[in-house]
Amino acid sequence: DTEVTQTPKHLVMGMTNKKSLKCEQHMGHRAMYWYKQKAKKPPELMFVYSYEKLSINESVPSRFSPECPNSSLLNLHLHALQPEDSALYLCASSQWGFGNTIYFGEGSWLTVV
Amino acid sequence: KNEVEQSPQNLTAQEGEFITINCSYSVGISALHWLQQHPGGGIVSLFMLSSGKKKHGRLIATINIQEKHSSLHITASHPRDSAVYICATSGSARQLTFGSGTQLTVLP
Repeated sequence: DTEVTQTPKHLVMGMTNKKSLKCEQHMGHRAMYWYKQKAKKPPELMFVYSYEKLSINESVPSRFSPECPNSSLLNLHLHALQPEDSALYLCASSQWGFGNTIYFGEGSWLTVV
Repeated sequence: KNEVEQSPQNLTAQEGEFITINCSYSVGISALHWLQQHPGGGIVSLFMLSSGKKKHGRLIATINIQEKHSSLHITASHPRDSAVYICATSGSARQLTFGSGTQLTVLP
C-alpha cells in the first residue's frame, strides 16, 4: 500500500466555520507533511511532523492548526479562514531521513467564501 | 539557499515525440525528485535520484551532480502524459525545494 488518503476532496467553508482536513497513510512513514498550493504555483510547505511531533512550522497563521494523533493520521484544523486561504492542500509522507521518496495524497480543494 | 530552475515552462508536443525537461539547482543536495501533477491535483513521485540514471517504462531521468543538472525524458509521448512535471530537491533542510514546474501538453 503506497497510498496517502486525504478527505474531503472538496470543501467549501465560510469565514466563521471550523472544519478539518484529514490525511492517512499505512506505509509506516514517520514523517508527514502539509503543503499548500495555489493555482499554477509549486507547493509551499506548511508543517512537518516527525514521529508524531511537530518539527517544522513555516510561520503559518494560527488559523491553521495541525494535529498528529498517531503515526498514521495527520489532521489540519481550520478556523476563521480568509478567502485568500482558498487553495489545494496536499498531505505527504516519507521515511524520516535524507533523500527518501515522498508520497503525496490527491489533495483537498478548499474554497473559503 | 538552494534555487531550482526548470525549463521550459510550457511545452507542447505531438504524440510520439521525444520530450526533454531540464532542471538545474544551485547547491549540493541529497536527492532530486521528479514529480507529476495532473489537473485533478494529486502529485505522483516519478523518480528520486542521487546519481546516474533511472528508467521506468517510457520515462528516463538523469542527473549530473558535478553540473548540478537533471533531465527528465519521455520517449514516444502520449496525450495521457499531459501534466505538470515538477523538479524538487532535498538537502540538509529535510524539506523539498520545488522548481516552478513544466506544463506539458501532448497533442494526438
